[in-house]
Amino acid sequence: AQSVTQPDIHITVSEGASLELRCNYSYGATPYLFWYVQSPGQGLQLLLKYFSGDTLVQGIKGFEAEFKRSQSSFNLRKPSVHWSDAAEYFCAVGDYNYQLIWGAGTKLIIKP
Amino acid sequence: KAGVTQTPRYLIKTRGQQVTLSCSPISGHRSVSWYQQTPGQGLQFLFEYFSETQRNKGNFPGRFSGRQFSNSRSEMNVSTLELGDSALYLCASMVGGTDTQYFGPGTRLTVL
Repeated sequence: AQSVTQPDIHITVSEGASLELRCNYSYGATPYLFWYVQSPGQGLQLLLKYFSGDTLVQGIKGFEAEFKRSQSSFNLRKPSVHWSDAAEYFCAVGDYNYQLIWGAGTKLIIKP
Repeated sequence: KAGVTQTPRYLIKTRGQQVTLSCSPISGHRSVSWYQQTPGQGLQFLFEYFSETQRNKGNFPGRFSGRQFSNSRSEMNVSTLELGDSALYLCASMVGGTDTQYFGPGTRLTVL
């Protein structure tokens, strides 16, 4: 069965430090992969996506992610976080039945 | 281009009542999906509609139903509400195929 694992429920990072959020997936075919961000009480905003091609994808707000097929991973990175990046981040796989399969989310806390 | 809109944003109902939530997709998008988000279960897929036809359905009881109109607007209905139906209900639209889903702000349903 398809699944997405985000092993870190919470991550605390100092403002200005680098960030990496982990995502592992289990999917039989070539996956469509997404990262979304959710601020408290809000909907989900798309950060970036991978469909095919270059395995390093750039997104909005200075985020990037790298698809590694051999490790079934799609980790999200940012070189320097800002206080406004505090939110919950979700990794998702899009399957061929038009649904997104979600990870449990990682809550990012920024230390001043 | 306007984003996905959902109405109402907040709703309070009592057990046993029914509720209808509405979603207007991005102009030109013909697919609408619905997701339920709760602290315990995370994000779960409810169903997806394309051109007024349900293409896929998640693992929810028959009390949860939906429909899509010819203008691509969608409604979901929950009958005989239970306390456990309290959640953020998110609607997403996409152009049509397996593509990027864009989310609305959600409807926060509280069942008392």
